[in-house]
Amino acid sequence: TQLLEQSPQFLSIQEGENLTVYCNSSSVFSSLQWYRQEPGEGPVLLVTVVTGGEVKKLKRLTFQFGDARKDSSLHITAAQPGDTGLYLCAGVLGTASKLTFGTGTRLQVTL
Amino acid sequence: DAGVTQSPTHLIKTRGQQVTLRCSPKSGHDTVSWYQQALGQGPQFIFQYYEEEERQRGNFPDRFSGHQFPNYSSELNVNALLLGDSALYLCASSLLRVLTNEKLFFGSGTQLSVL
Repeated sequence: TQLLEQSPQFLSIQEGENLTVYCNSSSVFSSLQWYRQEPGEGPVLLVTVVTGGEVKKLKRLTFQFGDARKDSSLHITAAQPGDTGLYLCAGVLGTASKLTFGTGTRLQVTL
Repeated sequence: DAGVTQSPTHLIKTRGQQVTLRCSPKSGHDTVSWYQQALGQGPQFIFQYYEEEERQRGNFPDRFSGHQFPNYSSELNVNALLLGDSALYLCASSLLRVLTNEKLFFGSGTQLSVL
């Protein structure tokens, strides 16, 4: 059983469209991180959210941590081909030294 | 400033063989973690090294072992390779062991294929 479920698994959209990726769990996380990974590369950290209800913006990307710290969402406005990649959420349980990754959402943005 | 570097980038082995993967952490980082990423899945935590000792371990068999050197670099060893060990192996480094508000930097990984 996967601790962190992401949806959708795959998303293919056209440039300019908006999209939202969800990351859900029944566990409470002390923090949650979002990564983007491109083929042949390691994941690159986009943002860390720590407080329940926290919202962070990174240019066209908006990240939200659920009030109960069990879920998170990533919203992309006006997607561009450069947004193409695998988006991974990853949570930290308590004071753990490891990340628990989600199942991933593969995004394809076409012209 | 060099980031996390891993070697080799690709490796092909046969079942039953042993493999060693290497990782140099980002400059100034003393904590190294290893993750396994199977095709189409998120990375799975293998173990973490700090002060040359294994500090935390994920749900991986004893065939997976590691080492950290005084210069903080690390090795991941896998014995008696199975077909299911085929994956991208990622090394990540950080300044702190506890990751609540800590940045983790990943290398590009070693793609291991077991035939």
